[in-house]
Amino acid sequence: QVQLQESGPGLVKPSETLSLTCVVSGYSISSGYYWGWIRQAPGKGLEWIGSMYYSGSGNTHYNPSLKSRGTISVDTSKNQVSLKLRSVTAADTAMYWCVRYGPNYYGSGSHIELWGHGILVTVSS
Amino acid sequence: EIVLTQSPGTLSLSPGQRATLSCRASQIVSSNYLAWYQHKRGQAPRLLIYGAFRRATGIPDRFSGSGSGTDFTLTISLEPEDCAVYYCQQYGSSPLTFGGGTKVEIK
Repeated sequence: QVQLQESGPGLVKPSETLSLTCVVSGYSISSGYYWGWIRQAPGKGLEWIGSMYYSGSGNTHYNPSLKSRGTISVDTSKNQVSLKLRSVTAADTAMYWCVRYGPNYYGSGSHIELWGHGILVTVSS
Repeated sequence: EIVLTQSPGTLSLSPGQRATLSCRASQIVSSNYLAWYQHKRGQAPRLLIYGAFRRATGIPDRFSGSGSGTDFTLTISLEPEDCAVYYCQQYGSSPLTFGGGTKVEIK
């Protein structure tokens, strides 16, 4: 059974960098798929952050709403996916989910086949 | 970007009844790349439907998706365990976007 487990600090100060890690178990990332992150701010809807192919190689896509603050990376040796979000503000307070996309990632994206349980990150001084 | 509007906001029905959830897109969803998810409190969201009508692995046939273009529907023959928030998502154009969700309550 494939499982995704997010980890990272639950509290980040404004203007700092939010760093999250997702360890994947039950599946080797190097076998394929796009991986990425979704978030949901309190009282708001789900927001796509971005996606990255397991091999990297420039196959990375981000939501323009992040204004280039986000970086997703994949470490196949550790079987994990990471997210860094720079210059955070209170608006980045949200539940963050690590996800695996469906087997067919079209130019625009894919459905999300698997979700982690999520991690709540609060941005506050 | 494509805006997805879900209705109703909340649905309260009894087990055995049929729930009809709507997802309307602000533009045509290319190739009907529309998915539905179930999110129960404290759990990871779960994929129910993709490609507008294809059931994901392990999803019972009391969940069904339909629609095309800009109007999509998720229909559920309700069981007590179906209490959750349901979201639609389009992946026909970037950025991927989600609807605001429909909360299903079981009487």
